[in-house]
Amino acid sequence: DAGITQSPRHKVTETGTPVTLRCHQTENHRYMYWYRQDPGHGLRLIHYSYGVKDTDKGEVSDGYSVSRSKTEDFLLTLESATSSQTSVYFCAIRPGTQETQYFGPGTRLLVL
Amino acid sequence: GNSVTQMEGPVTLSEEAFLTINCTYTATGYPSLFWYVQYPGEGLQLLLKATKADDKGSNKGFEATYRKETTSFHLEKGSVQVSDSAVYFCALGGGNKLTFGTGTQLKVEL
Repeated sequence: DAGITQSPRHKVTETGTPVTLRCHQTENHRYMYWYRQDPGHGLRLIHYSYGVKDTDKGEVSDGYSVSRSKTEDFLLTLESATSSQTSVYFCAIRPGTQETQYFGPGTRLLVL
Repeated sequence: GNSVTQMEGPVTLSEEAFLTINCTYTATGYPSLFWYVQYPGEGLQLLLKATKADDKGSNKGFEATYRKETTSFHLEKGSVQVSDSAVYFCALGGGNKLTFGTGTQLKVEL
């Protein structure tokens, strides 16, 4: 158990509304990641963080923003949700000494 | 850039059958290679990994060998069980990131 929680686990929202997903870790790892999982695409990186207030874009960052004000929390915000952002979102952490990433349980988001 | 190609699914096998899921990659340098497994409704779990050429990763009866000459990391298991039914992802590491394949769904029937 890598000590990663995600909240909420399920969310239904309407197009145009803002949505924030939270990832929380208990082990103070430096690296944290947000992915989305869609059929036929596997996992695609949205944003990642390499420290407090240090973030960078992944391959599908348009329409998403992130913030990391504390080591343990990494927030993903959809400023104005669209139906194309309906997906399962996974957070991951990476201990700094290895390349292996450890994943949270996921958040299932439906944008109507 | 880095990329991973893995065989399309779903793969349907009878219990105790031999499993192979193919994975090939494109990358610069010598990346680490991973297999992750995702059971229904759950997040991804690390199944095994290899960090250099000719390394063999193994776990729970699954094996994969890092083949630099064929840029492959095929997943094998000698005798699958119903409980192995899941989606399997091949991934490669590099530059603080992992690049994933599209996943292969495995269904094991009695």
